[in-house]
Amino acid sequence: VQLLQSGGGLEQPGGSLRLSCAASGFTFESHAMSWIRQAPGLGLEWVATTRGSGGRTSYADSVTGRFTISRDNSKNTLYLQMNSLIPEDTAVYYCAKDPLYDNSWYAVFDYWGQGTLVTVSS
Amino acid sequence: EVVMTQSPATLSVSPGETATLSCRASQSVYTNLAWYQQRPGQAPRLLIYASSTRAPGIPARFSASGFGTDFTLTISSLQSDDSAVYFCQQYNYWPPRTFGQGTRVEIK
Repeated sequence: VQLLQSGGGLEQPGGSLRLSCAASGFTFESHAMSWIRQAPGLGLEWVATTRGSGGRTSYADSVTGRFTISRDNSKNTLYLQMNSLIPEDTAVYYCAKDPLYDNSWYAVFDYWGQGTLVTVSS
Repeated sequence: EVVMTQSPATLSVSPGETATLSCRASQSVYTNLAWYQQRPGQAPRLLIYASSTRAPGIPARFSASGFGTDFTLTISSLQSDDSAVYFCQQYNYWPPRTFGQGTRVEIK
C-alpha cells in the first residue's frame, strides 16, 4: 500500500489550494478515504471522509462549506479542495485509508500518506 | 462530539520496563477505540483497533484493553524506538472521529 501526496504550500488567507493523494497497492474503490490534519506541534484533527463509492462524504465542522473531499476511482486518487483558507488551517495534512478487516469496515486509519504542509499566511 | 482525554501528558520510562497509557472518553464508545503511534517526523501508525485488537504487523509487546469510557494501552519491554507520541481515537460516534491530545513516551 502506498499513499503519495502532492499539493500544499503557502497560500494567503482567503485563497485556495488542492491536495492530491495517489493510492496504490489496494482496491481503492472499496475503501473509505479520509484527510486528517495536524497543526504544528499539536494533535490530530479529522477533516473529512469519503466512502468508497456512492459519493457520501462527511466533514469536520471547522471546514464545512470551505473544503471539499472527492475521489476519482478511475485514477485511484483522493483530493481535498480547500477554499477560503484561514490561518487556522495551517497544518500538515495527511490522507489515510480505512481498513476492511474480515470484510468489516472500521472507521480507523490503517495507512497514511507522507503528509504535506499547508501554510496560510499573508 | 465525543471528547477524548489522555493521561499522562508525558511518560518517562527506562528501556525494558512497561509503559501504561490511559484514554478516557466523555461518553461510552463501547469498544470502538483505536491507538496510534507517531514517531518524530513521521505519519501516525495504527497499533490497535476495536479496543484490543492489534493491527497487522504490530508486535505483541503492544497490548490494549477497555470498554465504554476507560481504555489502556500497555507497552512492555520498552525499546528505544518506542519513543513517540501515542494517540487514541474513537469511532463510535462520528462525524467527527475524535482523537485524544496524545501521550509522549520518552525512553530514559
